[in-house]
Amino acid sequence: SQQGEEDPQALSIQEGENATMNCSYKTSINNLQWYRQNSGRGLVHLILIRSNEREKHSGRLRVTLDTSKKSSSLLITASRAADTASYFCATGVSGNTPLVFGKGTRLSVIA
Amino acid sequence: DVKVTQSSRYLVKRTGEKVFLECVQDMDHENMFWYRQDPGLGLRLIYFSYDVKMKEKGDIPEGYSVSREKKERFSLILESASTNQTSMYLCASQESNEKLFFGSGTQLSVL
Repeated sequence: SQQGEEDPQALSIQEGENATMNCSYKTSINNLQWYRQNSGRGLVHLILIRSNEREKHSGRLRVTLDTSKKSSSLLITASRAADTASYFCATGVSGNTPLVFGKGTRLSVIA
Repeated sequence: DVKVTQSSRYLVKRTGEKVFLECVQDMDHENMFWYRQDPGLGLRLIYFSYDVKMKEKGDIPEGYSVSREKKERFSLILESASTNQTSMYLCASQESNEKLFFGSGTQLSVL
């Protein structure tokens, strides 16, 4: 069952620009996480935001969470060619329920 | 750093063969997961385990089984491989019911 839905499905930007990806979900959550996947590899955890938090930063990453709209956004500032990857959101509902992943946004950063 | 190791990066099997995909984690995590990833479908949960000898079905368990005899090892078994099981298989372990650590993935082709 897919809970998170990322938007857009694909995004192409120039190096140095900011990239924004959105995630919408359907049910109440405990936390929301963002992961990155380079082509043909496993996913890597980027950031976790809890349901009682509104914004979180990690380096060039900024994540926001709006529980009233059931949505989150991931902003990558000053993008680099190395940021080219697929980005997934995943929602955690409760302690012993598996995370549910969206289908991802494919980001291409052109040098 | 947590390491999740999947035994093979690429695997080619014939229809009807029994296939074992092995996954080992080195951080004493209790929770482990098997996902498959197909283009346009995102990550889909096959099976998961919250303890040794414990297993739970995910969203698409048909045609698969799992084994967790030791805490660090979670094996996915394709009892009789079929062409529609050609996919990327991803194993993950979970820290404190939150962050997932993924292996590099196994690209399985069933001919």
